[in-house]
Amino acid sequence: EVQLVESGGGLVQPGRSLKLSCAASGFTFSDYNMAWVRQAPKKGLEWVATISYDGSSTYYRDSVKGRFTISRDNAKSTLYLQMDSLRSEDTATYYCARRAHFDYWGQGVMVTVSS
Amino acid sequence: DIQMTQSPASLSASLEEIVTITCQASQDIGNWLAWYQQKPGKSPQLLIHSATSLADGIPSRFSGSRSGTQYSLKISRLQVEDTGIYYCLQRYSNPYTFGAGTKLELK
Repeated sequence: EVQLVESGGGLVQPGRSLKLSCAASGFTFSDYNMAWVRQAPKKGLEWVATISYDGSSTYYRDSVKGRFTISRDNAKSTLYLQMDSLRSEDTATYYCARRAHFDYWGQGVMVTVSS
Repeated sequence: DIQMTQSPASLSASLEEIVTITCQASQDIGNWLAWYQQKPGKSPQLLIHSATSLADGIPSRFSGSRSGTQYSLKISRLQVEDTGIYYCLQRYSNPYTFGAGTKLELK
């Protein structure tokens, strides 16, 4: 059974950093591109970043470019999102998803940026 | 960026009714279109990928179609469990973009 489990969320002050993790199981993690998607409270879905299966290629939405870094450790079957210089508008539930059609999603982790 | 214009924003329908939700892409995206259902407090669930392909385990009353740059999700006989918010997603080019969502309720 495919499982994606996010962790690392919480309350953080503006300008500070946070690192999210997504532990994958039930499939060969190193075969798949992966992505992060976020959803602000009561809002729609927003793609954040994508990483290729081997980590060699990454893509970001403009609003997080230069502040967020997506990475992966295939030996640990884990996806990461390093979030620096956080802003209030980054407040959202963050989901990791398997990029093949975004067919599997984690349960989501809440990030709140507030002083 | 490719814009996905989804309509309607909300919809109220009766049991067994046929429901159609559409997404209009601002440019050609081929078949790089997927549909998702999201229930309150849950993560999205893939319904349709590649514009018309039913995802594993999804009931056959869900179907997807394409006409040019307009994409449609059809629920042939609405069931109670079909309530929720539906989103389209284009994966043709970065940044990937979602439609704004359609909230589907039972009448």
